[in-house]
Amino acid sequence: AQKVTQAQTEISVVEKEDVTLDCVYETRDTTYYLFWYKQPPSGELVFLIRRNSFDEQNEISGRYSWNFQKSTSSFNFTITASQVVDSAVYFCALSEPPRDTDKLIFGTGTRLQVFP
Amino acid sequence: DGGITQSPKYLFRKEGQNVTLSCEQNLNHDAMYWYRQDPGQGLRLIYYSQIVNDFQKGDIAEGYSVSREKKESFPLTVTSAQKNPTAFYLCASSPITGSNYGYTFGSGTRLTVV
Repeated sequence: AQKVTQAQTEISVVEKEDVTLDCVYETRDTTYYLFWYKQPPSGELVFLIRRNSFDEQNEISGRYSWNFQKSTSSFNFTITASQVVDSAVYFCALSEPPRDTDKLIFGTGTRLQVFP
Repeated sequence: DGGITQSPKYLFRKEGQNVTLSCEQNLNHDAMYWYRQDPGQGLRLIYYSQIVNDFQKGDIAEGYSVSREKKESFPLTVTSAQKNPTAFYLCASSPITGSNYGYTFGSGTRLTVV
């Protein structure tokens, strides 16, 4: 069965701390895609990253980095030197087979609160 | 700029009324989706459509109806049969390529029953 688990419901940190949001997935596909979205208080989900299952290289974009490990079926998201503007709900998502539908399965989200 | 427009941003409904939430996209995406989000919870799929004049039920379709008469438009009607309609509703769209480029989301409609 396809499933995305975000075990951390809510995380609170103080500004400048590093924080890692966990994402564990299950899939029967050999080729699949993983995503992270950010939902700020305004409500709209904003795309952060898309990762192909064949590309296990870690990715860094400014203060954001992603660690993809197929061996543990995890796609964790780290924010370095967190800022108040990072406060949001973060969703991890997985492509749902059959892939020709382009549907996604979402985790339940992790609420990150960054305090000044 | 291309994107998804949801309207209205806030909507109030009286008990027993049907209301329709609008979702329009100019991205030329084939697929469109409606999600419901309750406070502190994740996204639950209501309906989705991958082609004009066709749509499928999601996980929580009861009390909702949709139509897809045009590629650009996917309105959601919350009927009086929906027992607890107060929630945040998100519309999304995606191209269908087999390479899963992910969804583009609208800014949402917050529905409150009064």
